[in-house]
Amino acid sequence: SQQGEEDPQALSIQEGENATMNCSYKTSINNLQWYRQNSGRGLVHLILIRSNEREKHSGRLRVTLDTSKKSSSLLITASRAADTASYFCGTSGSRLTFGEGTQLTVNP
Amino acid sequence: EAGVAQSPRYKIIEKRQSVAFWCNPISGHATLYWYQQILGQGPKLLIQFQNNGVVDDSQLPKDRFSAERLKGVDSTLKIQPAKLEDSAVYLCASRGLAASYEQYFGPGTRLTVT
Repeated sequence: SQQGEEDPQALSIQEGENATMNCSYKTSINNLQWYRQNSGRGLVHLILIRSNEREKHSGRLRVTLDTSKKSSSLLITASRAADTASYFCGTSGSRLTFGEGTQLTVNP
Repeated sequence: EAGVAQSPRYKIIEKRQSVAFWCNPISGHATLYWYQQILGQGPKLLIQFQNNGVVDDSQLPKDRFSAERLKGVDSTLKIQPAKLEDSAVYLCASRGLAASYEQYFGPGTRLTVT
């Protein structure tokens, strides 16, 4: 079974609002990565957070990691219609394991 | 730099037929991955190569799936014979030797088995 599990499964917001997605995992990890997938395309790497980090920023993205709760969150601030995509967390132990993703829809 | 190339982009076959997918990773990337992504799910790793050696094929259904990476560059993934449940997008990804864990994905091949 997949280790990472994203929640919610689907999220619909208005342009300009913030979007928060969560990821939970079960076993120890070396790092956790977030990827975006536009419809019909491959995945694109967004950000990586190592197991000894608690928070990381990249542009409009903010990722947190709580290893005691085995969870991570991805915050996209000031969302745009172009942010509409599926978002996956990938946990890295011996292999990168993805959850089922959060489908984000940003309405103009 | 050029991205990961995959072909074909789409393939429709009947069950019990054979099919092959091709991947050309980013130049210089030593690690190559094949993933299977069923509609509505996340990608599942099928096989990982380091140069031309297999690192992890524990989730590859070896009775029907095979993969090779000759000369440590291009790779092919084959399914023989295909089943209906093999309908999915097959994604190839590559990663360089640097400390970065970032994987670069190709656009995928969408396989429909009828």
